[in-house]
Amino acid sequence: AQSVTQLDSHVSVSEGTPVLLRCNYSSSYSPSLFWYVQHPNKGLQLLLKYTSAATLVKGINGFEAEFKKSETSFHLTKPSAHMSDAAEYFCVVTHSNYQLIWGAGTKLIIKP
Amino acid sequence: EPEVTQTPSHQVTQMGQEVILRCVPISNHLYFYWYRQILGQKVEFLVSFYNNEISEKSEIFDDQFSVERPDGSNFTLKIRSTKLEDSAMYFCASGGPFTDTQYFGPGTRLTVL
Repeated sequence: AQSVTQLDSHVSVSEGTPVLLRCNYSSSYSPSLFWYVQHPNKGLQLLLKYTSAATLVKGINGFEAEFKKSETSFHLTKPSAHMSDAAEYFCVVTHSNYQLIWGAGTKLIIKP
Repeated sequence: EPEVTQTPSHQVTQMGQEVILRCVPISNHLYFYWYRQILGQKVEFLVSFYNNEISEKSEIFDDQFSVERPDGSNFTLKIRSTKLEDSAMYFCASGGPFTDTQYFGPGTRLTVL
């Protein structure tokens, strides 16, 4: 069965410093993996998606994620945090029937 | 850019009342979904819908819930007799064909009193 573990419930970084949000997944086959972002009082926006074309995936707003099969990880990174990045980030894996399985979310806090 | 829309943005209802949450998916999409997020908890899958029938549903999606695509544009979630524990944010999503990416609406916050 598919599952997703986001290793940090909260991550706090200073503006201009790198961001790392960690995600591990479990899947019995090669899934699609996603990162979604939810800004306060807003909906769920797709940041990026991994299929099998490339292990390093670039998304919107300068985010990228690297798929590492040997570590079953799909960590999200950004070289330099901006205040507007403050939001909750969800790592998501597809279930075999297009159902999405969600991680618990990581709240990203940006300090000025 | 096309997007999924949902109405209303916030619905307050009394326990035992019926509610209908409405969604307009992206026009060329074929797969439709409902998820919910109880405050402070994970996003949970409720149901997927394709070709005018339910393709998959979770344990949460019991007989109190139903979905319908009454015309070519709307996709609705009905809760027949709301309970306090139905209070949550409900997200509609659409996707496909030829992709498993799902695009989400802004959500409807349902408050059951």
